[in-house]
Amino acid sequence: NAGVTQTPKFRILKIGQSMTLQCTQDMNHNYMYWYRQDPGMGLKLIYYSVGAGITDKGEVPNGYNVSRSTTEDFPLRLELAAPSQTSVYFCASSYSAGGSETQYFGPGTRLLVL
Amino acid sequence: ELKVEQNPLFLSMQEGKNYTIYCNYSTTSDRLYWYRQDPGKSLESLFVLLSNGAVKQEGRLMASLDTKARLSTLHITAAVHDLSATYFCAVDIGYSNYQLIWGAGTKLIIKP
Repeated sequence: NAGVTQTPKFRILKIGQSMTLQCTQDMNHNYMYWYRQDPGMGLKLIYYSVGAGITDKGEVPNGYNVSRSTTEDFPLRLELAAPSQTSVYFCASSYSAGGSETQYFGPGTRLLVL
Repeated sequence: ELKVEQNPLFLSMQEGKNYTIYCNYSTTSDRLYWYRQDPGKSLESLFVLLSNGAVKQEGRLMASLDTKARLSTLHITAAVHDLSATYFCAVDIGYSNYQLIWGAGTKLIIKP
């Protein structure tokens, strides 16, 4: 049981480039989330999904896109990378939202846009 | 504007001492979470507080929730070096968007 896995661990992008951050969970969780964490700050929700085929915007969705074709995978797409997207990105999953279900986090992807 | 404020943001303390981290929030909620993050690592769940007056304890850490005051506390008893980490609180605003609002975190350094 690997939990939540993310790839890559670290990436440097040039301004205007695109990339996909991968996230996979093997806990059969319905809910998945993408957060970004800027230095010295709490997490900001980018997008979330309540099940395969269903996604919705969080607090800071601009410049990102997601898809959820399977229960296990929830990739995050960055189009036209900008320096403001330099951050650490965390994927998380939970069995349900709210209630007593905590979110389980992946190890993070550190992204630097130059 | 929805806000979750933690204080202090940075705390350096000696082993063996007691201290409390505070988490104030600006909206109605009866669900609050505490997470721990070690440097360069991911986040790990510590406590889930689901109602007014809820108290949870694990080892030297104890968390409580006062929904009327919109305040949660994380109390550290007889601190040890291994508790050095950044601690985050997150408030579940629920409704239809399943969104947690996170505090900025409290960086705790415990010196031998």
